[in-house]
Amino acid sequence: GQNIDQPTEMTATEGAIVQINCTYQTSGFNGLFWYQQHAGEAPTFLSYNVLDGLEEKGRFSSFLSRSKGYSYLLLKELQMKDSASYLCAVRARTDDKIIFGKGTRLHILP
Amino acid sequence: EAQVTQNPRYLITVTGKKLTVTCSQNMNHEYMSWYRQDPGLGLRQIYYSMNVEVTDKGDVPEGYKVSRKEKRNFPLILESPSPNQTSLYFCASSLYPGRRLAGNVETQYFGPGTRLLVL
Repeated sequence: GQNIDQPTEMTATEGAIVQINCTYQTSGFNGLFWYQQHAGEAPTFLSYNVLDGLEEKGRFSSFLSRSKGYSYLLLKELQMKDSASYLCAVRARTDDKIIFGKGTRLHILP
Repeated sequence: EAQVTQNPRYLITVTGKKLTVTCSQNMNHEYMSWYRQDPGLGLRQIYYSMNVEVTDKGDVPEGYKVSRKEKRNFPLILESPSPNQTSLYFCASSLYPGRRLAGNVETQYFGPGTRLLVL
């Protein structure tokens, strides 16, 4: 079967760093995405990894290890506006489907 | 302005009354997709299309139909809606998920969502 796991909820403090993990088991692999979704809004793209390693984009970074079926999203210098759900999604190579995890709701405390 | 539009944004209907949710994109994207989002279940892909006249089932296609007669439009059809289809629906489009063009990542752009309530 195909499965993507990520923690349901996390809490962090304004100005701190938080790491959101994602593990996946899919029929083939052709890229992993991270999205941010504020309540009641559409998801917006944050990052994409298809090769192993770290991709940095301002305050956000994403890491991928294909051999371990593992990724993480790293958020630095947290701001209150970072309170949102973070969605991990994988594109399976075999059939071009995109599978989303259930999302991690991140709460930022002042 | 590059965008994905969906209509209607909100819809209340009754069981069995056929309905269509439209989706349109102005970015000349090949790949279009429909998702539903339910509490505790996350986003689940209903159908997707790699190009005109090419459609494939996602993870939860039962009770839905789609068509792709033109590149820009990808309507979602519920022939006989049931209460378990009450959900938040998102349409999305991209050139090709994950394709890298001139150093830029092409990813999915989501429409604003359609909230459907089936009584």
